[in-house]
Amino acid sequence: NAGVTQTPKFRILKIGQSMTLQCAQDMNHNYMYWYRQDPGMGLKLIYYSVGAGITDKGEVPNGYNVSRSTTEDFPLRLELAAPSQTSVYFCASSSTGGRFVYEQYFGPGTRLTVT
Amino acid sequence: DAKTTQPTSMDCAEGRAANLPCNHSTISGNEYVYWYRQIHSQGPQYIIHGLKNNETNEMASLIITEDRKSSTLILPHATLRDTAVYYCIVRGGRSEKLVFGKGTKLTVNP
Repeated sequence: NAGVTQTPKFRILKIGQSMTLQCAQDMNHNYMYWYRQDPGMGLKLIYYSVGAGITDKGEVPNGYNVSRSTTEDFPLRLELAAPSQTSVYFCASSSTGGRFVYEQYFGPGTRLTVT
Repeated sequence: DAKTTQPTSMDCAEGRAANLPCNHSTISGNEYVYWYRQIHSQGPQYIIHGLKNNETNEMASLIITEDRKSSTLILPHATLRDTAVYYCIVRGGRSEKLVFGKGTKLTVNP
């Protein structure tokens, strides 16, 4: 298994541009998550999904959009990029057993700079 | 989910045990203690979790006090590759979310 994969690894955007960060997992996990991590800080949850077609906001959703059309993929869309969105973005996934949510597996991250 | 308190940083000599403390005095009965670590710039990695009993796996041991208000992650023989930020997180078993604090920066010295 490749686990959780993210593309691109690095990206530089100009203010006002848009882009999509890709995330895929091959573990058949139903839960997927997007986090951002600013320098010296812990991760903050942007959006998450409990299954295909279902998404919900996390702690810091403003300026982002997500969709979940398949179990495997969970892209994060940035519209009108701003310098405040300069960060490292991590995607994660987890499985469930009954109603218990198991540990999260993280991708390698995407470093985004908005200038 | 209950809040956790961890020291900002710790040092440990290579080959010695690293004991990382975490306070979670407001933990409720159905909440688990999770530990993750983040090696420089990589995605966080799950280490171990527990409810009330002590737990051990191939990476570490987790000791939870009887009143569940604190816990200690033990890396029995720390290596240089264990240098990382360690996050202690409390969450309910049915909760989808992890709330990350700033964690403890563990430096293993040769």
